[in-house]
Amino acid sequence: SQQGEEDPQALSIQEGENATMNCSYKTSINNLQWYRQNSGRGLVHLILIRSNEREKHSGRLRVTLDTSKKSSSLLITASRAADTASYFCATGAGNMLTFGGGTRLMVKP
Amino acid sequence: GAGVSQTPSNKVTEKGKYVELRCDPISGHTALYWYRQSLGQGPEFLIYFQGTGAADDSGLPNDRFFAVRPEGSVSTLKIQRTERGDSAVYLCASSLGGLAGANTGELFFGEGSRLTVL
Repeated sequence: SQQGEEDPQALSIQEGENATMNCSYKTSINNLQWYRQNSGRGLVHLILIRSNEREKHSGRLRVTLDTSKKSSSLLITASRAADTASYFCATGAGNMLTFGGGTRLMVKP
Repeated sequence: GAGVSQTPSNKVTEKGKYVELRCDPISGHTALYWYRQSLGQGPEFLIYFQGTGAADDSGLPNDRFFAVRPEGSVSTLKIQRTERGDSAVYLCASSLGGLAGANTGELFFGEGSRLTVL
């Protein structure tokens, strides 16, 4: 079963625009992570935000976490064609990391 | 090697056959995870090892699936009497100390083993 649910399932934008993906989850967590997956490849860790943090930045990535609403968002600013991939949120509790269904992002040049 | 290595990268087998998938984690990583990913879906947890022991195997779908990690490094996922529904990409990941350990909780994934059961 998958705890996280990403929204939207698919997103298509023009290069230079910002992309926002949302994630909702159901149970208590220690942290929430975002991963990226290029077609046919493994997942690559992007960023981790702990349950006591509200916002985190890494380069062009900005992640927010609202534990009262059990939701998180990933913002990619100034998108590039190379950002085209699937993005997954994953919630960590204990030693378990549970993934959502992902958002498929397409950035058109 | 520098990353998580999985072999084979592709495996085609017939229904009813036995399959083994191998994962070689990053050196020094004590935690090892197996996930299964179907097309268009997110990874689904199968089993987690801390060292040699299976700390959590609650994700294994049935008793046809079994995984070992005898020396606390390389792991093998074994699937008996394969069924067409077992077709998926099997992903292995490792981390320094598990999500609750002293590290950041980041998992390092291999490229996966794509299993096709005809």
